[in-house]
Amino acid sequence: SQQGEEDPQALSIQEGENATMNCSYKTSINNLQWYRQNSGRGLVHLILIRSNEREKHSGRLRVTLDTSKKSSSLLITASRAADTASYFCATDVGGSNYKLTFGKGTLLTVNP
Amino acid sequence: EPEVTQTPSHQVTQMGQEVILRCVPISNHLYFYWYRQILGQKVEFLVSFYNNEISEKSEIFDDQFSVERPDGSNFTLKIRSTKLEDSAMYFCASSEFGPWDYGYTFGSGTRLTVV
Repeated sequence: SQQGEEDPQALSIQEGENATMNCSYKTSINNLQWYRQNSGRGLVHLILIRSNEREKHSGRLRVTLDTSKKSSSLLITASRAADTASYFCATDVGGSNYKLTFGKGTLLTVNP
Repeated sequence: EPEVTQTPSHQVTQMGQEVILRCVPISNHLYFYWYRQILGQKVEFLVSFYNNEISEKSEIFDDQFSVERPDGSNFTLKIRSTKLEDSAMYFCASSEFGPWDYGYTFGSGTRLTVV
């Protein structure tokens, strides 16, 4: 798989349920970031987790990072219809690199 | 909340024409970026810009592309001679300290359609 691959590609849940999205990557990273994109709109930064961190919380979001497995997960608890969007992971390899590498994203649909 | 502003939101241009996409990054940010997203595909890195010069560019960013920070507020992406395959959503982003510690703030994008 390529750097930053999310699964599933699409996820449909009911309001109130939890949503879990996964991301795998290939190379060593400095940090991993999650972004949300509403249809046809810009990317919104949700959370950043550094390579020396294992878990991070922000409101209803919980991100884990397992550098040994080169994987991350994003958990959205108590989902709402407004959480319907595409979610992307993006990796930064650090050093002199000034770019993020994005995955293809998971399309989350939360049904009311 | 500070925003990155992009104009226009949608531009249609003839193949072979030059286009300039404009961005106003957040005022105290020092690092600027352009990304693009072809419909249904990944968000792809184009170029990063710091201290008035390109820090890094991708293979996509060939001689047809250029960036400029003509004054203290604007950051532009120019495509000299557009091709059909340049049709995409173009996102400008900025960050205060670089990508390694903080996330980026993205603009809402410019949808470029080349006909």
